[in-house]
Amino acid sequence: GQQVMQIPQYQHVQEGEDFTTYCNSSTTLSNIQWYKQRPGGHPVFLIQLVKSGEVKKQKRLTFQFGEAKKNSSLHITATQTTDVGTYFCAGPFAGNTGKLIFGQGTTLQVKP
Amino acid sequence: DTGVSQDPRHKITKRGQNVTFRCDPISEHNRLYWYRQTLGQGPEFLTYFQNEAQLEKSRLLSDRFSAERPKGSFSTLEIQRTEQGDSAMYLCASSTTSGSADTQYFGPGTRLTVL
Repeated sequence: GQQVMQIPQYQHVQEGEDFTTYCNSSTTLSNIQWYKQRPGGHPVFLIQLVKSGEVKKQKRLTFQFGEAKKNSSLHITATQTTDVGTYFCAGPFAGNTGKLIFGQGTTLQVKP
Repeated sequence: DTGVSQDPRHKITKRGQNVTFRCDPISEHNRLYWYRQTLGQGPEFLTYFQNEAQLEKSRLLSDRFSAERPKGSFSTLEIQRTEQGDSAMYLCASSTTSGSADTQYFGPGTRLTVL
């Protein structure tokens, strides 16, 4: 069945270091969405990418959608303790733009 | 607060009991989704509604689970004869259909513990 995989599962960095999480889909996606979940919280929408090769920036966060629309990445420059949490990518199920299939997430820990 | 709200936030129940959760979506959103999340995993799709119509139900959802959205506004998720394996966070999300993709906004979730 359709799958979305993320690596790594966990990442521990020193504050100020960069961080990247990678997302791969078994099928071509019409769009990809990224969410952040703080410990004890719920997923919060960060961004949506739609176009092949699209790159979007939000301050220190850079999101990229692959040319084949099957992979994506999130890069954080100069991490801060406020970046701690789990980052999920999610894509719509094939043939349906509504329900989402989520990756298992990458949990980021930042040491001050 | 105009975000998605869920009630209760926590529920502890004994195995075999029935539980019901409520979700109030963002008022102008016509789509409502239920997901389940266990520790260390991403949310898993359970079911979704467009207005009052339940359009899809995951194969993960056994017959013990039922969801309703009677007037196209709030929704309820009922689990009958709960089992320990039902322990999880139950998340509700809502969206509005626009163009080819809709952004889903999640509620705080209901954490269910089945003893």
